[in-house]
Amino acid sequence: DQQVKQNSPSLSVQEGRISILNCDYTNSMFDYFLWYKKYPAEGPTFLISISSIKDKNEDGRFTVFLNKSAKHLSLHIVPSQPGDSAVYFCAASENTGKLIFGQGTTLQVKP
Amino acid sequence: KAGVTQTPRYLIKTRGQQVTLSCSPISGHRSVSWYQQTPGQGLQFLFEYFSETQRNKGNFPGRFSGRQFSNSRSEMNVSTLELGDSALYLCASRSEGANYGYTFGSGTRLTVV
Repeated sequence: DQQVKQNSPSLSVQEGRISILNCDYTNSMFDYFLWYKKYPAEGPTFLISISSIKDKNEDGRFTVFLNKSAKHLSLHIVPSQPGDSAVYFCAASENTGKLIFGQGTTLQVKP
Repeated sequence: KAGVTQTPRYLIKTRGQQVTLSCSPISGHRSVSWYQQTPGQGLQFLFEYFSETQRNKGNFPGRFSGRQFSNSRSEMNVSTLELGDSALYLCASRSEGANYGYTFGSGTRLTVV
């Protein structure tokens, strides 16, 4: 039973445009959501997070939106840069140290 | 500030053997978690330790075990290795109150032959 799903395995965007990565979850008890970026042969790098009591959080070029009624969150990257090309994972937690990850979306930003 | 250090980076073992992986968290971080990453299953939670006590455990067989020392360093052990245990094993640490912003190490790539 996959509680966190990233339904798009890959996404390709042009440099300078917006990248939108999506994530759906099923467990309404999740209280914190995170996005990580991962390059091959490296560990995931924390990007941005959002508490379930908020619907938006911004950090520079990265914005995460949370729609609790739809159990959906998204990561917006504006403007996209070639260095953003990586695998992006969303993760969720139920007020514990256990993170449940989605399967990841591979983002390719073309120059 | 040094990051999360995992050793060794690469390991090749034979079926039936056992293996121990090591993780040194960021200085001051007392919470350490372990994850397994495989192409088919993605990133899956193994266990979390805090102050030498296991606080959470994922759905893995008893062959997977771990421990944490008083200096917060952690080890995980896999006994009676199976081919399916081949994976990237990731360790992550955070300080309490950091709101789940775990910092991950680069991982140990385990290959079972």
